[in-house]
Amino acid sequence: AQSVTQPDIHITVSEGASLELRCNYSYGATPYLFWYVQSPGQGLQLLLKYFSGDTLVQGIKGFEAEFKRSQSSFNLRKPSVHWSDAAEYFCAVGAATFGYSSASKIIFGSGTRLSIRP
Amino acid sequence: GAVVSQHPSRVICKSGTSVKIECRSLDFQATTMFWYRQFPKKSLMLMATSNEGSKATYEQGVEKDKFLINHASLTLSTLTVTSAHPEDSSFYICSARPVPPGQGRQGGRTYEQYFGPGTRLTVT
Repeated sequence: AQSVTQPDIHITVSEGASLELRCNYSYGATPYLFWYVQSPGQGLQLLLKYFSGDTLVQGIKGFEAEFKRSQSSFNLRKPSVHWSDAAEYFCAVGAATFGYSSASKIIFGSGTRLSIRP
Repeated sequence: GAVVSQHPSRVICKSGTSVKIECRSLDFQATTMFWYRQFPKKSLMLMATSNEGSKATYEQGVEKDKFLINHASLTLSTLTVTSAHPEDSSFYICSARPVPPGQGRQGGRTYEQYFGPGTRLTVT
């Protein structure tokens, strides 16, 4: 079964420092991978996604992620964080199901809460 | 583009009553919409997949008679929490998947989902 693991529940980094959020997935085929960000009390915003091709994916707000098949990882990085980056970050994998309209669902990791130290 | 709205954003209801939450895709058509539930400081739990014009597919452990889902049009899905209890208090988020261009209403196996801002339900 497909699954996503985010081993870090909470991370605190200083403003201006670099950031890496870890994500490991379990999937039998080439995965569809996503990173979403959620601000308190808000919905989810897509930061970036990987479907195929270049394994280094650029996203919005200066984020990037690298797909490493050998490590089953899709870690999110940012070279210099800003106070506005404080939020909850979710890694997710697309899980194929078969049926009417071939609908496919997304399975989310447990999330990593990012705090920024002034 | 690709905006999804939810209404209401917050609702407080008394135990035993029912409450309806709407999810609308504002600038695209969506044959498939998803309903998630999020507990405080927890991840999103998929409740059900809603396909326009057909019955919703519920995830294991989700009571279909309690969480009624209707997807009456390509831009609207509703979630009705029936006979609400305090344990139903949660943050409910919907998402909508656009119909891929050129693939008709059956769509293809795509994963693009656009999320609504969520609805905070409090049952007293």
